[in-house]
Amino acid sequence: DVKVTQSSRYLVKRTGEKVFLECVQDMDHENMFWYRQDPGLGLRLIYFSYDVKMKEKGDIPEGYSVSREKKERFSLILESASTNQTSMYLCASSLAYRGYGYTFGSGTRLTVV
Amino acid sequence: RKEVEQDPGPFNVPEGATVAFNCTYSNSASQSFFWYRQDCRKEPKLLMSVYSSGNEDGRFTAQLNRASQYISLLIRDSKLSDSATYLCVVNIDNQGGKLIFGQGTELSVKP
Repeated sequence: DVKVTQSSRYLVKRTGEKVFLECVQDMDHENMFWYRQDPGLGLRLIYFSYDVKMKEKGDIPEGYSVSREKKERFSLILESASTNQTSMYLCASSLAYRGYGYTFGSGTRLTVV
Repeated sequence: RKEVEQDPGPFNVPEGATVAFNCTYSNSASQSFFWYRQDCRKEPKLLMSVYSSGNEDGRFTAQLNRASQYISLLIRDSKLSDSATYLCVVNIDNQGGKLIFGQGTELSVKP
């Protein structure tokens, strides 16, 4: 069964901490994405990557960065966590063709205190 | 204007009912279309792709009207297990994979 694995299901961090959210997929997918999901706002794209070493800003990249050193791994970094970054973070991957949908990881619920 | 718009609901229906969800998208260059299902506190999962000719998967039927930029999902004979949020999703990216999600329509099927 194909999988997208996010390293933590729940995470609590302090304001100002540097936070790493890891995502690994075993499907040899080219595309990987990071979203956050908040009540009333839906899914919002933070960053995405279509290839190793490649990254593109999504709709809400401020306060975040990403790293894709290997095809299977896409990391989201919160440089200095703030309370407004408390959210559900979802990683997804897909093949490199627009006809394909995403496979999502099970999400990381991050609370910044 | 949002790129993908859905009625947020909630839709409260009895078991066995037929329910229809509608969605509109703003970008006429949109390439591919999907419905996702998201259960409470879970990740979204692909329910079905949507094709211009319409497509059916058991009790679920999806339709696309490119001229009106409108997508629909029909659920027949609703089950309690259909209770979830249904997300309308559109691909507008010529490079390939980036999807735009609607906010979702919440469905609650009651006994």
